[in-house]
Amino acid sequence: DIVMTQGALPNPVPSGESASITCRSSKSLVYKDGKTYLNWFLQRPGQSPQLLTYWTSTRASGVSERFSGSGSGTYFTLKISRVRAEDAGVYYCQQVREYPLTFGSGTKLEIK
Amino acid sequence: EVQLVESGGGLVQPGRSMKLSCAASGFTFSDYYMAWVRQAPKKGLEWVASISYEGSSTYYGDSVKGRFTISRDNAKSTLYLQMNSLRSEDTATYYCARPGLFDYWGQGVMVTVSS
Repeated sequence: DIVMTQGALPNPVPSGESASITCRSSKSLVYKDGKTYLNWFLQRPGQSPQLLTYWTSTRASGVSERFSGSGSGTYFTLKISRVRAEDAGVYYCQQVREYPLTFGSGTKLEIK
Repeated sequence: EVQLVESGGGLVQPGRSMKLSCAASGFTFSDYYMAWVRQAPKKGLEWVASISYEGSSTYYGDSVKGRFTISRDNAKSTLYLQMNSLRSEDTATYYCARPGLFDYWGQGVMVTVSS
């Protein structure tokens, strides 16, 4: 199974600052079609997860440009620019390259 | 508007069975794989199972393999999860979702396994 390992954030993050969350996979997430199958989600308290980015760096529909995904192979980053109160919650990375699909353990973002 | 609405959760004793449903609307259900993801209280997300367009292929997480069965009825635009031999560690909120982007999720349904 592919293990997803997420980094922590130095909480709380002051409003207006940037925050970067790292995610490492135990195996390359590049598929034979050339795409890298890494998703990022935000789960706000009491809500269902919301897709932020897919294929490493493609923003989902309606997602703010303040969210940007990057990375390749086995190392990925989600950057949140100018954080706002509404960005608070738990962020998850997920690999969908192969079964079993696996998530990282989550990274909590608190806003000051 | 895409909607996924789960139902069928509740309290169940260990060793018993329960069946969850997910009613889909707002998209052509048969054009998409579908999946179940769960989240134990105060814990992270865990993928449970996925099913192909017509249901001919199914995939399961190791923790539920042999006990849970994912199925679908495309005529009713409904996804199912049959859960047998339930254990306390199956206690979680179960979400229906649309993979491979997981761009749409239901609101979740709580399953509590306890005597």
